[in-house]
Amino acid sequence: GESVGLHLPTLSVQEGDNSIINCAYSNSASDYFIWYKQESGKGPQFIIDIRSNMDKRQGQRVTVLLNKTVKHLSLQIAATQPGDSAVYFCAEKADAGNMLTFGGGTRLMVKP
Amino acid sequence: SQTIHQWPATLVQPVGSPLSLECTVEGTSNPNLYWYRQAAGRGLQLLFYSVGIGQISSEVPQNLSASRPQDRQFILSSKKLLLSDSGFYLCAWRSSGRRQYFGPGTRLTVT
Repeated sequence: GESVGLHLPTLSVQEGDNSIINCAYSNSASDYFIWYKQESGKGPQFIIDIRSNMDKRQGQRVTVLLNKTVKHLSLQIAATQPGDSAVYFCAEKADAGNMLTFGGGTRLMVKP
Repeated sequence: SQTIHQWPATLVQPVGSPLSLECTVEGTSNPNLYWYRQAAGRGLQLLFYSVGIGQISSEVPQNLSASRPQDRQFILSSKKLLLSDSGFYLCAWRSSGRRQYFGPGTRLTVT
């Protein structure tokens, strides 16, 4: 498959533990944020999104936290499973054209 | 439900050869369409986006071009490939919401 993530920061967690993946953004005008999961050789898969008028949003086993004061976004994955192993990207939207600006990604490795 | 297709899945082309990658979306009308490139170990770089038939905006000057001949068809082309064009090409669509949904990608290797 595609060798995505050769030089990406890596987070290694034990199966069953909670994972926290962090993302810093620079544009204080960004009003929408989104997380994607990308497995090797595949296209990014939508996980969860959040608007800037919210601080927290929960999905199934995932939670996104937004701290606008320090321009920080995090993705929390509860009870991490081997199938969660992938590269995770955050993206922000700051312009009226709905263009997304992507972060560099974090590789999550789950140890059995 | 909406689906997005890309082909081919993988492609190996010599330097100087032409390129045509195709993306089609089903189950939605008048989507915004996007082409991204992803180099190994890197994030996603937006190449082109389209808000309608025949409407193409380029984000990065390069050896590539895009066309949208039909509402749900987006094509990425090149007349002469360079080694630096190698990468993973992703098509995405967005309808009325803010979420972009990606296709399976095409891995291009220029030799």
